Amino acid sequence: EAGVTQFPSHSVIEKGQTVTLRCDPISGHDNLYWYRRVMGKEIKFLLHFVKESKQDESGMPNNRFLAERTGGTYSTLKVQPAELEDSGVYFCASSQGPTSGAWGTDTQYFGPGTRLTVL
Amino acid sequence: QKEVEQNSGPLSVPEGAIASLNCTYSDRGSQSFFWYRQYSGKSPELIMSIYSNGDKEDGRFTAQLNKASQYVSLLIRDSQPSDSATYLCAATGFQKLVFGTGTRLLVSP
Repeated sequence: EAGVTQFPSHSVIEKGQTVTLRCDPISGHDNLYWYRRVMGKEIKFLLHFVKESKQDESGMPNNRFLAERTGGTYSTLKVQPAELEDSGVYFCASSQGPTSGAWGTDTQYFGPGTRLTVL
Repeated sequence: QKEVEQNSGPLSVPEGAIASLNCTYSDRGSQSFFWYRQYSGKSPELIMSIYSNGDKEDGRFTAQLNKASQYVSLLIRDSQPSDSATYLCAATGFQKLVFGTGTRLLVSP
């Protein structure tokens, strides 16, 4: 079974440009998460989709970030316009959902990440 | 205060020794705790999850949880050079994971 995949693996853009990151979750996983790790900091939550609906977008830094998951399959995260502080590694994770009703029992599987550098 | 705190390390242990990794959390509403291993440039990989107070063992790994002290630990027995990686502690109360900065473990042959 294929794991979570992300594209591209690396992206280098200039400040003010637009970048779109893509995540393909594990087949059958309704839950899709985006996280970001800025250099020297911890991995931080950005948002959570359940199928095509945004369940929680409390971690999105500002309105320059737009996430979509049309059809409930793959997801895209667009940064427009990119700023220097957006540089970091963007991780996507997916999960099936809780098996016993408690979200804490749900396992999130991570993709390899997209390393974004904004110059 | 960070929500999940870990010593950044590096923690250096000789091959065959026990490595002890620690984590504290501030949100008493956190219900579940996870240890992920991350090799440089790779995705975080789930090693252990623990939901109840006490110990949980899986092969060479033992996770320990003490909710009263808000403390989680991971013990790695018979450490191998291949265990050298960054270990991330994460807590969740409702869906999203809250991570620590990770502890870098170095196992020397």
